[in-house]
Amino acid sequence: DQQVKQNSPSLSVQEGRISILNCDYTNSMFDYFLWYKKYPAEGPTFLISISSIKDKNEDGRFTVFLNKSAKHLSLHIVPSQPGDSAVYFCAARHTGGGNKLTFGTGTQLKVEL
Amino acid sequence: KAGVTQTPRYLIKTRGQQVTLSCSPISGHRSVSWYQQTPGQGLQFLFEYFSETQRNKGNFPGRFSGRQFSNSRSEMNVSTLELGDSALYLCASRGRAVTQYFGPGTRLTVL
Repeated sequence: DQQVKQNSPSLSVQEGRISILNCDYTNSMFDYFLWYKKYPAEGPTFLISISSIKDKNEDGRFTVFLNKSAKHLSLHIVPSQPGDSAVYFCAARHTGGGNKLTFGTGTQLKVEL
Repeated sequence: KAGVTQTPRYLIKTRGQQVTLSCSPISGHRSVSWYQQTPGQGLQFLFEYFSETQRNKGNFPGRFSGRQFSNSRSEMNVSTLELGDSALYLCASRGRAVTQYFGPGTRLTVL
C-alpha cells in the first residue's frame, strides 16, 4: 500500500523556468512533509519541509504548497538551474513525534540548458 | 558541524554471512534512524533509536537488528544475508527539529 505517491517518474524543464514536482498521500496521520534531493550513490539532502497545519512554506528558490483537502503537495523551484538535476523525494512523517518517514518513489528532474 | 558519517561505504558479502554497518550522527543529535533503498521498493524505514532505545520498527524480518550506544552512535546488523538484501543502507540523525539529515550510505552487495 503506497501511502505516498509521486506519479511522475521524470520531469524535464529548461534552465530559468519553473519546476513543479508533485506528491499525493493517502494517510491523514502525517504531521510533516519533507522534500529531499538525491544524487546517485549519495544520501538524500534535505530541501524544505511543511507542517500539516500550514499551506505554504518558502525558502529561497524552493516553495512547498500543501492542499490538505486534496491530500496533495507540490514543490516549486524557481528559477530552475542545471545543478537542480537530481531525483526528488517527497517524504511524510507519521504523527507521534517519532522519526518514521514514508517516502514517495521519486521524480527524476532534468534541467536543460 | 560535521555531517552524518557511515562506515564502510561499500561492502561485498556472500549469502548466509552477516554484516554490521556503523553510523555516527551529527554532534548533539540523539535520534538515529535507518533506511533501506532498493530499486524495487524504494526508500523504506527500518528502525529508529533514541537514547539507546528502539522507538519504532519498520516491516522487516528479525534478521535486521540495530542498537545505539551512549554516545548516540548506532549500528545495524543483518544476519543470514540474502541476495535481496543488496541495497543502499542509509542512516539519518535528528536533533530537536523535525528534519532528518542523511549520511552518504553504505552500499551492500550480496553475492
